[in-house]
Amino acid sequence: GAGVSQTPSNKVTEKGKYVELRCDPISGHTALYWYRQSLGQGPEFLIYFQGTGAADDSGLPNDRFFAVRPEGSVSTLKIQRTERGDSAVYLCASSTTGHNEQFFGPGTRLTVL
Amino acid sequence: GENVEQHPSTLSVQEGDSAVIKCTYSDSASNYFPWYKQELGKRPQLIIDIRSNVGEKKDQRIAVTLNKTAKHFSLHITETQPEDSAVYFCAATRNRDDKIIFGKGTRLHILP
Repeated sequence: GAGVSQTPSNKVTEKGKYVELRCDPISGHTALYWYRQSLGQGPEFLIYFQGTGAADDSGLPNDRFFAVRPEGSVSTLKIQRTERGDSAVYLCASSTTGHNEQFFGPGTRLTVL
Repeated sequence: GENVEQHPSTLSVQEGDSAVIKCTYSDSASNYFPWYKQELGKRPQLIIDIRSNVGEKKDQRIAVTLNKTAKHFSLHITETQPEDSAVYFCAATRNRDDKIIFGKGTRLHILP
């Protein structure tokens, strides 16, 4: 079946602009995660949804970052007033409730000029 | 906060030899330890995992060991092949459905 998908695959924006990154999880997966991976580093946790609600948003770096999952399926990560330090690959993952294995999407490479 | 340390950061081994990557974790409540392989420009993919009630697990050429008392866990790859070249991440998590804390990765080079 279809895996986790993310759009766009690449996003180039200018400092100060607003961006939205989309994640389509595997059908039926109730848990959805966002991670950020900087060059040469491991993925860093941002936020986790169980259904429609954010179960843990402790990884969001500041209030410029926000994520939603209004119908418990697709999620959107929103970044306001982008900064050059936001440049990274943003990874989404999903899993079924009660199972640890998280399946990752291909990521969105965000470049802030 | 939770932390996972991984070493070495880079590892080169001759094809056919073994490779070992070691990790330590700080959160004693961690009970699930996945290992991910990431090829250049690709997504991380789970290659093996171990739970805290198990000390060792093997899957063909790959094995993981866990010492819960010392908070150490390791990945062993035997009879390495060129396609094993990639970045490997160890990770730890507390509960089912919880966030994963990743190490910084080990870039493995398999030399011909």
